[in-house]
Amino acid sequence: NAGVTQTPKFQVLKTGQSMTLQCAQDMNHNSMYWYRQDPGMGLRLIYYSASEGTTDKGEVPNGYNVSRLNKREFSLRLESAAPSQTSVYFCAAPGTDTQYFGPGTRLTVL
Amino acid sequence: DQQVKQNSPSLSVQEGRISILNCDYTNSMFDYFLWYKKYPAEGPTFLISISSIKDKNEDGRFTVFLNKSAKHLSLHIVPSQPGDSAVYFCAASWMDSSYKLIFGSGTRLLVRP
Repeated sequence: NAGVTQTPKFQVLKTGQSMTLQCAQDMNHNSMYWYRQDPGMGLRLIYYSASEGTTDKGEVPNGYNVSRLNKREFSLRLESAAPSQTSVYFCAAPGTDTQYFGPGTRLTVL
Repeated sequence: DQQVKQNSPSLSVQEGRISILNCDYTNSMFDYFLWYKKYPAEGPTFLISISSIKDKNEDGRFTVFLNKSAKHLSLHIVPSQPGDSAVYFCAASWMDSSYKLIFGSGTRLLVRP
């Protein structure tokens, strides 16, 4: 997971609480991505940013907002958490012929 | 509708034997395919990829085969080792996709000593 860091690693929220997941990359790439992974399913794209200052919806954007703070950082915000958002969240950035993923944030919404 | 499918949730093989993981896709626009390996509590790590202009790519013990007419790819691991036990995800991308990936649901591989 070299090059992509995420904080926090674990988080427990109550329904309706808000939080921001942080991601940073040191590969100097324009693009960054947020995915979620649920049991028995592959990773699904929530939002992505093709360059600093731009963001676009992915496959499952509802309930989330993102901010591309600068070229290094891409944050994911849950304004009002719901139990359906219990998942593992991965941030990613492209490398040569692939994407590199962070270690993930395991989020539980009670 | 799943565009990338891994129909085998799990696979168990003996150490030293071949592991074959399969992946099917439906979207003809896909032109680049990747395999990722994932251990518990870690992010996916890149294993091997193949472009649609090729039908085979090899990297050490890992070989990926692509059959475009069947919209099918497979990952062969020879010989399999206990350390290969992990979840394997197939993913697809396409030109002008901004490097976005569409993932399959994964296959859990267990290599028995």
